[in-house]
Amino acid sequence: AQSVTQLGSHVSVSEGALVLLRCNYSSSVPPYLFWYVQYPNQGLQLLLKYTTGATLVKGINGFEAEFKKSETSFHLTKPSAHMSDAAEYFCAVSEGQGGKLIFGQGTELSVKP
Amino acid sequence: NAGVTQTPKFRVLKTGQSMTLLCAQDMNHEYMYWYRQDPGMGLRLIHYSVGEGTTAKGEVPDGYNVSRLKKQNFLLGLESAAPSQTSVYFCASSYSIDRGLRNTEAFFGQGTRLTVV
Repeated sequence: AQSVTQLGSHVSVSEGALVLLRCNYSSSVPPYLFWYVQYPNQGLQLLLKYTTGATLVKGINGFEAEFKKSETSFHLTKPSAHMSDAAEYFCAVSEGQGGKLIFGQGTELSVKP
Repeated sequence: NAGVTQTPKFRVLKTGQSMTLLCAQDMNHEYMYWYRQDPGMGLRLIHYSVGEGTTAKGEVPDGYNVSRLKKQNFLLGLESAAPSQTSVYFCASSYSIDRGLRNTEAFFGQGTRLTVV
């Protein structure tokens, strides 16, 4: 069965600092991997996704993630945090094309001035 | 392009009452999902559908029923609401066969905040 583990329910960084949000997955077949962001009282929107091909994926708002099969990881990074990045971030996995999405527990990112 | 629309946005129910949450998508997606979001638990899959007329159980299906009579709609029913069903419910859809691999992401509605008292 698929599963996703996000390490750290809360992460706090200073504005301008590196953002690193960790995600590890379990899947019996090559996975499709996603990062979503949720701003307060809103739905989820896609930051980036990995399906096939290049393992370093760039998304919106300066975020990127690298798929590492050997480590079963898909960590999200941003070189320089901005106050507007404060939100909750969810990692998700699906097993192949059209598979159901399974989410991690979420990581709340706080950005200090 | 409306995307995914959930109705209603807010609702307060008394224990034992029933209600139906409606989800509509206009992207010709094959897959539709219902999730519930609770603090510290992320999004948990309640039920999902891989096509018109089909439904399947997710991680937390007890106390809920669903129907997908039309491709664009996915209904979530609570037959006898309980306080444990107080949550924020999200509908999502994904995967258009005609767009193949480029369209595997899920699109989400704005959520329904349900309180059962």
